[in-house]
Amino acid sequence: AQSVTQLGSHVSVSEGALVLLRCNYSSSVPPYLFWYVQYPNQGLQLLLKYTSAATLVKGINGFEAEFKKSETSFHLTKPSAHMSDAAEYFCAVRYGGATNKLIFGTGTLLAVQP
Amino acid sequence: DGGITQSPKYLFRKEGQNVTLSCEQNLNHDAMYWYRQDPGQGLRLIYYSQIVNDFQKGDIAEGYSVSREKKESFPLTVTSAQKNPTAFYLCASSMAGANTEAFFGQGTRLTVV
Repeated sequence: AQSVTQLGSHVSVSEGALVLLRCNYSSSVPPYLFWYVQYPNQGLQLLLKYTSAATLVKGINGFEAEFKKSETSFHLTKPSAHMSDAAEYFCAVRYGGATNKLIFGTGTLLAVQP
Repeated sequence: DGGITQSPKYLFRKEGQNVTLSCEQNLNHDAMYWYRQDPGQGLRLIYYSQIVNDFQKGDIAEGYSVSREKKESFPLTVTSAQKNPTAFYLCASSMAGANTEAFFGQGTRLTVV
């Protein structure tokens, strides 16, 4: 079944430290991949997306993600965490075809310590 | 401003009642989606529609119904058959292609009292 896995439901980093949020997809066919951010009681906002044009994708707020086909991964990183980065982050995948469903992972809640 | 509007933001329902959540978009998107969000479970797909007058069940469609009579609107009805309806509901829309991102509304929090 097509799915996406986010390792680590909770991640805590210190302000200024590297942020690394993990996402792996399950398919031999590379999908289209997305990272979203959600602040409490709000909808989701797109951070970045991979659509096969480039393996390293830069997004908003200093985030970037690298598509690695050999590892079936699309991990999200930010060199230096800011307090305002505290939120929940979701990886999502779409394979296209007849259904074209957008499938989400279970999310990673990022805490940033002062 | 273009966007997706969900209403109401908060909704309370008595057990045994049907309730309809509204979702309207003015982005001229073909596809629309309904997700349910529960703590620790991410977003689970309830129904989606890729074109007017057509929709498909997602992973957790039981106890829910939808209609897509207009391109701009995709209302979700939570019926009395849904055993655990208390959740945060999110509506989204996107263009037709697989490489396009979805845009989300601000959500409706439904509580059964």
